[in-house]
Amino acid sequence: NAGVTQTPKFQVLKTGQSMTLQCAQDMNHEYMSWYRQDPGMGLRLIHYSVGAGITDQGEVPNGYNVSRSTTEDFPLRLLSAAPSQTSVYFCASSYSSHRENTEAFFGQGTRLTVV
Amino acid sequence: QQQVKQSPQSLIVQKGGISIINCAYENTAFDYFPWYQQFPGKGPALLIAIRPDVSEKKEGRFTISFNKSAKQFSLHIMDSQPGDSATYFCAAMTSGGSYIPTFGRGTSLIVHP
Repeated sequence: NAGVTQTPKFQVLKTGQSMTLQCAQDMNHEYMSWYRQDPGMGLRLIHYSVGAGITDQGEVPNGYNVSRSTTEDFPLRLLSAAPSQTSVYFCASSYSSHRENTEAFFGQGTRLTVV
Repeated sequence: QQQVKQSPQSLIVQKGGISIINCAYENTAFDYFPWYQQFPGKGPALLIAIRPDVSEKKEGRFTISFNKSAKQFSLHIMDSQPGDSATYFCAAMTSGGSYIPTFGRGTSLIVHP
């Protein structure tokens, strides 16, 4: 049981390049989300999904796309990287069929630098 | 608009002291309030959580105090240890909703030996 797995751990991109951050969970969680963490700004929600085929925007969605074709995977796509997207990105999953389990489990993060 | 306000941004305490972190929220629909602990290079992990039907929850040296009327809650770390040095995030969510927590901006805690 690996929990939430993010790849890659580190990435350097040139301005204008595109890439996909991968996130997979093996806990059969229905809810998955992407956050970015910047100094002094805490964790800001980018996009989230409440189930396969369903996604919605969070607080800072511009410049990012997501899709949820399976319960396990929730990739985050940067369409045209900009220096403002330099950040640490965290994927999280939460909820199961047991309603008392509302803990969000986080991956180890992807540190992205856009030059 | 920041839905969960957290203070202080940073906190330095001596070993054995009490660390106190405060949070306030606006949305009265929030009904679950977790605290997350994050060590450098790691993702946040759940530390302790409370529902608004109780005013206090204690787990070891960690205590959450909750004031529903004031829409405020706080984390107290008793007998703080150097190993408690981390970033702490308060969060709020609606358990009947999307189960996606809204986070405060975090508090960087340093406990000096």
